[in-house]
Formats: sequence, C-alpha cells, structure tokens
Amino acid sequence: NAGVTQTPKFRILKIGQSMTLQCTQDMNHNYMYWYRQDPGMGLKLIYYSVGAGITDKGEVPNGYNVSRSTTEDFPLRLELAAPSQTSVYFCASSSSVGGGNTIYFGEGSWLTVV
Amino acid sequence: QKEVEQDPGPLSVPEGAIVSLNCTYSNSAFQYFMWYRQYSRKGPELLMYTYSSGNKEDGRFTAQVDKSSKYISLFIRDSQPSDSATYLCAMSGLIIQGAQKLVFGQGTRLTINP
Repeated sequence: NAGVTQTPKFRILKIGQSMTLQCTQDMNHNYMYWYRQDPGMGLKLIYYSVGAGITDKGEVPNGYNVSRSTTEDFPLRLELAAPSQTSVYFCASSSSVGGGNTIYFGEGSWLTVV
Repeated sequence: QKEVEQDPGPLSVPEGAIVSLNCTYSNSAFQYFMWYRQYSRKGPELLMYTYSSGNKEDGRFTAQVDKSSKYISLFIRDSQPSDSATYLCAMSGLIIQGAQKLVFGQGTRLTINP
C-alpha cells in the first residue's frame, strides 16, 4: 500500500537555488496539503488543494508555489531557497467532506538550505 | 498567543503508567479535535478524533474534549514502550470546500521506559 509518496527524502540546497518536492497519492483523494514542521514545533499549512486545478494558500505560503494538474500529484516548488526554508516538509491527502476524516501523511522530506 | 498550546515535554514514564497529554486552545470556532502520533523520522498518523465536546475511547486510548474550558486531553492506559513517540494535538474549524485545515500543537515527546 503506497499511500502518500514524497520525493526526495533528503536534500541540501544552496541559498538561491530552486527545487520541487514531489508528492503523489494513490488513494484517489480530492484534498491534498503541504505542511512544514520546524524543530520542536507543530506542523504549519503551506498550501492546500481541493481538486485538480484548484489550490489555495495556507498559513505560511511565502516562498512557495504549488500546482495540481492531476488528482494524484501535488508538487511543491521552492523558488530562491532561503535558510528559513530549512525544515521537514510533509505532504498529506484526505477524502470526503466533513470533519474528522483521516488525513494521511507522507513520510516527509528533510530539506536543508545552506 | 498561539492558537494551540501544548507542553513539549519531554515526558518520561515507566511502562504500565497512565499517561496524560493535554492541549489548550484559544479559537472557539474549532469543532474537530484530533491526536496524531509521530514516530521519529516518520509522518504523523491519526490516533484519535473527536467532534465537539465529549469523550472517545479506543482500546488503551481515551480522548476528551472540554469546549467550555478550551482544553483537550489524551489518556494512555497501560503504557507500552511502543507508545514512545511524539504526540501532536490538532484541531480545525469549519470545513472550507471540503479541505480540513488543521492547526497543530507543538507536540509532546513521550518516552515509556521498560
């Protein structure tokens, strides 16, 4: 059972470089999310999507971009990487309307900007 | 003031003890309350969820929500070394277009000693 798959697992970027974190899910979920988790902190929502072609900003969107061309994929783009973007990034997905539905998280992508 | 406050610990208890984990929150619009468990280098996994006030029990785990006090708790009975993990509370308000935008606490690192 693949669930939510993120790549790469680990990456070191230089300041000013750009990269894309890939996320794909095989559960046919409509809703997908990107969170970041800083040391000793909870997760903060970066962007989310309610379906293909529809995305919206979360709590901390600055410095990031997303796209959702298919139901399965929700890549996160970092433009002009900054040390403040050093973090662990989690992609997640869920289905159905209504609260309390299980949100499935990927294993995380560890990003260091130096 | 943070929307969700959670004591980061760390918390260390002997095997078999009852563990109590807590979060307070300030946003009275929160309706859905969840507890996630996160093992080291892994993504969060949903442990318990509760809608509005009340208790919910699942095996050794009990979740309680007191909306009047803006306080939620997770109790673990007969704790096991395999329960050692970081526990994150999360909550959300109304669902926007079906997407559930969670607000997380900092997480409490729990160690169960054999």
